Amino acid sequence: DAKTTQPPSMDCAEGRAANLPCNHSTISGNEYVYWYRQIHSQGPQYIIHGLKNNETNEMASLIITEDRKSSTLILPHATLRDTAVYYCIVRVANNNDMRFGAGTRLTVKP
Amino acid sequence: DSGVTQTPKHLITATGQRVTLRCSPRSGDLSVYWYQQSLDQGLQFLIQYYNGEERAKGNILERFSAQQFPDLHSELNLSSLELGDSALYFCASSGRGGWNEKLFFGSGTQLSVL
Repeated sequence: DAKTTQPPSMDCAEGRAANLPCNHSTISGNEYVYWYRQIHSQGPQYIIHGLKNNETNEMASLIITEDRKSSTLILPHATLRDTAVYYCIVRVANNNDMRFGAGTRLTVKP
Repeated sequence: DSGVTQTPKHLITATGQRVTLRCSPRSGDLSVYWYQQSLDQGLQFLIQYYNGEERAKGNILERFSAQQFPDLHSELNLSSLELGDSALYFCASSGRGGWNEKLFFGSGTQLSVL
């Protein structure tokens, strides 16, 4: 799987958009970008995933650059409950495991 | 609630002992994944099963073993426990274990080896 690079920590003001970057410069054409988050010591929670088009769901938006070498997860209106570790993962087609990196610890402040 | 059930929630044992962690996947899911999360190693993929068969293997120690039963529940067996095995162990499930499927995680089993 392609390696991902994320900043170790970020802060965001409550009510503002949180933009979490991820670099995956060695991504291959058949690798998906997944985002999960882990709140405290709970099990990780799926947020969103995409291949090359931008994606949006009820939780977040995923913006993937045209060359697919980086992506940004956007939480449009961050709340205190969005404080968590956010993991960006690239997953190759036909590779069954999913491997997590160190992630970004997002702290939403009042 | 993800629909994935892990038992027990907490387990305290001594070095050298053997324990079994149990996972029931979401209804209808055929694939189960096991992960270990310790403070210094982050989330480590251990092993994946699909419909009773091992499908992918990660950083699983030889002292650890897993299986998935015909009713699709899975057990992770940890033997000859060491202090360093203390960690949160998560189970996740997905429909067919494919690369384009999202994983649903349980709430974990906290293992403390004293």
